Amino acid sequence: AQKITQTQPGMFVQEKEAVTLDCTYDTSDQSYGLFWYKQPSSGEMIFLIYQGSYDEQNATEGRYSLNFQKARKSANLVISASQLGDSAMYFCAMREGGNTDKLIFGTGTRLQVFP
Amino acid sequence: EAQVTQNPRYLITVTGKKLTVTCSQNMNHEYMSWYRQDPGLGLRQIYYSMNVEVTDKGDVPEGYKVSRKEKRNFPLILESPSPNQTSLYFCASSLYSGTTNSPLHFGNGTRLTVT
Repeated sequence: AQKITQTQPGMFVQEKEAVTLDCTYDTSDQSYGLFWYKQPSSGEMIFLIYQGSYDEQNATEGRYSLNFQKARKSANLVISASQLGDSAMYFCAMREGGNTDKLIFGTGTRLQVFP
Repeated sequence: EAQVTQNPRYLITVTGKKLTVTCSQNMNHEYMSWYRQDPGLGLRQIYYSMNVEVTDKGDVPEGYKVSRKEKRNFPLILESPSPNQTSLYFCASSLYSGTTNSPLHFGNGTRLTVT
């Protein structure tokens, strides 16, 4: 069965430091997409970054990069130069093609950035 | 502004009183879906729609109904709400169906409490 695992319930990082949030996935499909979303305390879900299963380069979006290791089935999010506003829940998700287009979510990691 | 709009943001109701949560997107997206978010469980898909008049069950459809009469609207109906439906609900849309690289765009969420 398809599954996303985020093993870090909470993480702390000091402002301006980099932090890595872990995500592993399980799927038997060859074609899939991996996403990271940010959920601040206000509750909305904000799309951060996408990595396709056939992409050879790691995705980057500003301070966010995705460390994609296909053989290990991991898709870790790296946030560089953390800011106080990065404090939030972060969800890793996987989207498979086919009939459901379902996005399967992990349970999330709560990141707290301190001064 | 491109967005997914859900209403209401907060709703408190009593067991058995029918309610509807509205969802509208202005991006001409084909695909729409509903998720619920519960602590420790991440987000789980309730229903989805690949296009007008095409809907199907997600992982947790019991107690919910949906309809897709127009491309832009995808209301979630609880015919007889029960306390176990107390949750944070998200409507989401994406441009295409059947692809893995199309991120979901989420509404701001509806926090429902059923007493």
